[in-house]
Amino acid sequence: SQKIEQNSEALNIQEGKTATLTCNYTNYSPAYLQWYRQDPGRGPVFLLLIRENEKEKRKERLKVTFDTTLKQSLFHITASQPADSATYLCALGSSGNTGKLIFGQGTTLQVKP
Amino acid sequence: EAGVAQSPRYKIIEKRQSVAFWCNPISGHATLYWYQQILGQGPKLLIQFQNNGVVDDSQLPKDRFSAERLKGVDSTLKIQPAKLEDSAVYLCASSLGSTIFSYGYTFGSGTRLTVV
Repeated sequence: SQKIEQNSEALNIQEGKTATLTCNYTNYSPAYLQWYRQDPGRGPVFLLLIRENEKEKRKERLKVTFDTTLKQSLFHITASQPADSATYLCALGSSGNTGKLIFGQGTTLQVKP
Repeated sequence: EAGVAQSPRYKIIEKRQSVAFWCNPISGHATLYWYQQILGQGPKLLIQFQNNGVVDDSQLPKDRFSAERLKGVDSTLKIQPAKLEDSAVYLCASSLGSTIFSYGYTFGSGTRLTVV
């Protein structure tokens, strides 16, 4: 069955460092991958999308890579700030415009000042 | 623009009771999703609507869960009867199909259901 794995352990880093979160998947060939941020008591908020034919995408301090051979995406936050502390979810989407997404369990990031 | 509205924000019920959740998506968004998020897990799709038609309800426990989107706008998700394992946050999301590659889903804040 389709499986998406994110690091279940919380990631603790110091302010100013780069945070790197991992998303691995099996038994799936996604057309695209999305990353969301979720704060406690709130719904997920869309951050970035990367398509299967793209290697890397950037948006301000965020960078996403997508390796369809390794079946892995890496999500980087450079110059991290305490305000970046949240849970980050990766989600895989199939081809077509139905838009159905399958989510990973999320990784909690804690940035310490 | 207004976001995705959900109500209520919190609900506590006893097992075997029924409960209903309401969602009003962003105006013009044809696609509406209901997700269930159990504590410590990622959201799991329950049902997807395109306008007022069901696109995917393969993971909806149809013996107890039902959902409708009668006029292709707002939607209601019902659980009857509730079980303890239904305790979760129920998230509604919407998307405009052509913009999903730029803007993804827009989620509401969810309804936190506790079944005791």
